[in-house]
Amino acid sequence: SAVISQKPSRDICQRGTSLTIQCQVDSQVTMMFWYRQQPGQSLTLIATANQGSEATYESGFVIDKFPISRPNLTFSTLTVSNMSPEDSSIYLCSVASGTSEQFFGPGTRLTVL
Amino acid sequence: EDQVTQSPEALRLQEGESSSLNCSYTVSGLRGLFWYRQDPGKGPEFLFTLYSAGEEKEKERLKATLTKKESFLHITAPKPEDSATYLCAVQARDSSYKLIFGSGTRLLVRP
Repeated sequence: SAVISQKPSRDICQRGTSLTIQCQVDSQVTMMFWYRQQPGQSLTLIATANQGSEATYESGFVIDKFPISRPNLTFSTLTVSNMSPEDSSIYLCSVASGTSEQFFGPGTRLTVL
Repeated sequence: EDQVTQSPEALRLQEGESSSLNCSYTVSGLRGLFWYRQDPGKGPEFLFTLYSAGEEKEKERLKATLTKKESFLHITAPKPEDSATYLCAVQARDSSYKLIFGSGTRLLVRP
């Protein structure tokens, strides 16, 4: 399966600031996704990152808060904007290619003070 | 509404003590049911995909089964290294490939 990396692996940020998380895959993939895992909870899909077009957001998530880019088939970014302590979570990217299975990156642990 | 419920929330086993984890689901047309393992501080690791009732998959000490309403992850003679959170997720047969996750079962295997 593809090797997926995320940067940064963790960060501590001040409220009101923004953080951009990168997801890099070592091979071209069809689909890329961004999930959030809040403390002690399971994973929730934020959006599907579409190559060359606007991301598809799930209910409760908006582009102004979580802008996403996907310039090519191996890279995507998620920005968490105007952060508050409630945004403290693990953010995970996942990829899929040709099958329904999704493979996850190692995650970015974000703490907002 | 598509939904996944996992039980128990937590499970403690002695090494060698076999058991099963449950995943109950409701979905408007199942494309697939997925099992993942997640270790602390890491992303979920893919284990199995099940597509239709009656299907079974095995990997080492793990065996996953599927019915029309639930899936079981059977752990045979577990070892301490099997300690992790096990996540179940479903994917509906619609135009998206969204995974809907359960809250997971935290498994601790004591030596």
